Amino acid sequence: GQNIDQPTEMTATEGAIVQINCTYQTSGFNGLFWYQQHAGEAPTFLSYNVLDGLEEKGRFSSFLSRSKGYSYLLLKELQMKDSASYLCAVMDSNYQLIWGAGTKLIIKP
Amino acid sequence: IAGITQAPTSQILAAGRRMTLRCTQDMRHNAMYWYRQDLGLGLRLIHYSNTAGTTGKGEVPDGYSVSRANTDDFPLTLASAVPSQTSVYFCASSDTPEGAAYNEQFFGPGTRLTVL
Repeated sequence: GQNIDQPTEMTATEGAIVQINCTYQTSGFNGLFWYQQHAGEAPTFLSYNVLDGLEEKGRFSSFLSRSKGYSYLLLKELQMKDSASYLCAVMDSNYQLIWGAGTKLIIKP
Repeated sequence: IAGITQAPTSQILAAGRRMTLRCTQDMRHNAMYWYRQDLGLGLRLIHYSNTAGTTGKGEVPDGYSVSRANTDDFPLTLASAVPSQTSVYFCASSDTPEGAAYNEQFFGPGTRLTVL
């Protein structure tokens, strides 16, 4: 079966760095997406990785290792507005997104 | 309209009733999707459409039907609602179905449906 695993909840301090991990087992691979979802709102796109390595976009970076079935999202200089759920999703061989349950990130002052 | 709209925002429905959730996008995207999101679970794909006139079944299609008569609209119908269909429903669209840099899915604001 297809499976995406990520921690249920993480806590970090304002101004710090946090790494959210995602491991996956899917039927085929056509890229990995990270989305942010604030409570009661729709998911919004953060990053896309299809090749191994690190993609940096401002305070957010995403890393992919296809051989290990592993990705992480790195958030730097945390701000209170970064409190949200972070969703990892893998596009399978049928071009359908398989979603993890999301990691709820709590930022403390 | 800017992006994707969904209607209604929320609904309480008696079991056995028929209900259509509406979704409209103005980005001229080819692909559209319906997901449900339940606490503790990831988004699950119900149905999708890669282009106007075509539809396909996702992971959890039972009890739901869709149509794609044109590019902009993708309604989701519950023929006879059951309590297990209580969920938050998100409509999404993307330029194409394929994975590509910045070919992300854009999501509507969601419909919160309660079936009693």
